[in-house]
Amino acid sequence: QQQVKQSPQSLIVQKGGISIINCAYENTAFDYFPWYQQFPGKGPALLIAIRPDVSEKKEGRFTISFNKSAKQFSLHIMDSQPGDSATYFCASKGSNYQLIWGAGTKLIIKP
Amino acid sequence: DGGITQSPKYLFRKEGQNVTLSCEQNLNHDAMYWYRQDPGQGLRLIYYSQIVNDFQKGDIAEGYSVSREKKESFPLTVTSAQKNPTAFYLCASTWGQGINPNSPLHFGNGTRLTVT
Repeated sequence: QQQVKQSPQSLIVQKGGISIINCAYENTAFDYFPWYQQFPGKGPALLIAIRPDVSEKKEGRFTISFNKSAKQFSLHIMDSQPGDSATYFCASKGSNYQLIWGAGTKLIIKP
Repeated sequence: DGGITQSPKYLFRKEGQNVTLSCEQNLNHDAMYWYRQDPGQGLRLIYYSQIVNDFQKGDIAEGYSVSREKKESFPLTVTSAQKNPTAFYLCASTWGQGINPNSPLHFGNGTRLTVT
């Protein structure tokens, strides 16, 4: 079965630092790569997403970098804040109704 | 406010009992989904429904059943055949024809089911 491999499993970053989470996918036919943010006891919420025809997308402090040839994409959180502490999931669109999910990264921002 | 309502937030059942999780949306979305979330794992698709009176199995449908009698409602029944039912269950929806940049998955806040 197709997989999306996400790393690291957990990450601790000082306030103001840069948080980086990486994902690798297998199928070159995937055409949509969203990142979701999930707080404890809540459902995931879309944070930012990218299509493979661009190499980078930035929204505020959040940036996705996309490397099509390496089949990798990453989330960068600049100037990380304690409120960014959450679990982050990458995903790839496997079919019209199916996302293939990474296992998640638990991010803790230390004040 | 438009959104997805899942109830109850916490549910406790004895082994061998069927249990139904509620999911209601007022977003006028066409498609609805049920995911299961376990610690350290990504979300796994149980069932999805593109339109009323139609639904498709996802990757882990065994031991679960669904119905879609109304556009806004997509209840999930966890049957006694599900071997490991304790998990966090998430309902989601999308507008139009599936998941795409113009119609991302929109999630409810989940139901945590504990079976003992």
